[in-house]
Amino acid sequence: QKEVEQDPGPLSVPEGAIVSLNCTYSNSAFQYFMWYRQYSRKGPELLMYTYSSGNKEDGRFTAQVDKSSKYISLFIRDSQPSDSATYLCAIPSSSNYKLTFGKGTLLTVNP
Amino acid sequence: EPEVTQTPSHQVTQMGQEVILRCVPISNHLYFYWYRQILGQKVEFLVSFYNNEISEKSEIFDDQFSVERPDGSNFTLKIRSTKLEDSAMYFCASSEAIKNIQYFGAGTRLSVL
Repeated sequence: QKEVEQDPGPLSVPEGAIVSLNCTYSNSAFQYFMWYRQYSRKGPELLMYTYSSGNKEDGRFTAQVDKSSKYISLFIRDSQPSDSATYLCAIPSSSNYKLTFGKGTLLTVNP
Repeated sequence: EPEVTQTPSHQVTQMGQEVILRCVPISNHLYFYWYRQILGQKVEFLVSFYNNEISEKSEIFDDQFSVERPDGSNFTLKIRSTKLEDSAMYFCASSEAIKNIQYFGAGTRLSVL
């Protein structure tokens, strides 16, 4: 089983829609979780991180972790065309040096 | 806002040549990393570096790869004899401490012909 799995999409939504992006992970020892956003041919840019189960909100973005299901989610409310990008979940290894990324979900928000 | 800077943005080289990719991490950061992303694939960890030595490396990071912090600001990745399959985006990242957030540069696109 792969350490981090993410549906690559692509996902296309109209402007204003609520977007749900998800990842599953296999190692229950993982302690914190990150979401990065990557525009075409650019580096990953940190969007949000969480250290525990539950929700964390930042503006239109909400990160959710369900450790019992090993499932992490990112919700985007009132999506905008500028949100069009690839969204990557990332989880540090037990050593904390290495980030393991999901494959990324390509999101397009249509005006 | 401080950022990780990578040069060049695009490097074209012939197979078998040596390349050096350069990075300037965020100034107060102590941990440095290289990742790569082959077109259409995941971002993959290559190596982490702390206190002038490698702290962890992946299976990809074989004897053809090396890293160095030649001075107080630069962090480099050297590929001794490039192969076609080394063509990828290479990202440098840095973090203030272990368990801290890793911040990524914009990447160097390496094209091996």
